[in-house]
Amino acid sequence: GQNIDQPTEMTATEGAIVQINCTYQTSGFNGLFWYQQHAGEAPTFLSYNVLDGLEEKGRFSSFLSRSKGYSYLLLKELQMKDSASYLCAVTDRGSTLGRLYFGRGTQLTVWP
Amino acid sequence: DGGITQSPKYLFRKEGQNVTLSCEQNLNHDAMYWYRQDPGQGLRLIYYSQIVNDFQKGDIAEGYSVSREKKESFPLTVTSAQKNPTAFYLCASTTTGDLAGAYNEQFFGPGTRLTVL
Repeated sequence: GQNIDQPTEMTATEGAIVQINCTYQTSGFNGLFWYQQHAGEAPTFLSYNVLDGLEEKGRFSSFLSRSKGYSYLLLKELQMKDSASYLCAVTDRGSTLGRLYFGRGTQLTVWP
Repeated sequence: DGGITQSPKYLFRKEGQNVTLSCEQNLNHDAMYWYRQDPGQGLRLIYYSQIVNDFQKGDIAEGYSVSREKKESFPLTVTSAQKNPTAFYLCASTTTGDLAGAYNEQFFGPGTRLTVL
């Protein structure tokens, strides 16, 4: 099966940098997604990593190490609107194509 | 504009009643998914469908049923057999393109919050 672990909660102040970690165990890793979800809303796509390294997209970056089963999402210049839940999800080559396995999400609170 | 719609946004039902949640997409996606989300929890897969007239159980299918008669539509019925149906329900869809590591981003609908009274 798949096991995805991420911290339950994190807090940070406006303008700061925060790193949200995600570790996973899967037999046929085929990619890792990060989604952002505001309360009561649908998740929205942030990033996708399939190869090792850092993917940068504006204030958000995502890193992957396949050998360590580890990823992180880095949020820079935090804004109040970044307060949300951040979901880590992986795909598995051995499972149904397109299926995602989600972690429980990390609730980020940004303080002024 | 292409997207996924779910209706209604809020739904209330009495205990013992069946209720059907709607999910429609015009993205021409082959695969569709239903998730359940409880407070402080991640998304748990209920059912999924990769092609019309075919669907499979996810991790928590008991007490739920689905149909996939059209590519655009994947309705979910919450039956009276579901012991704890109050939750936020999300529908998603994706392409099933490249087998070798496709960028299979899932697109989500706005969700339906079901409350059993």
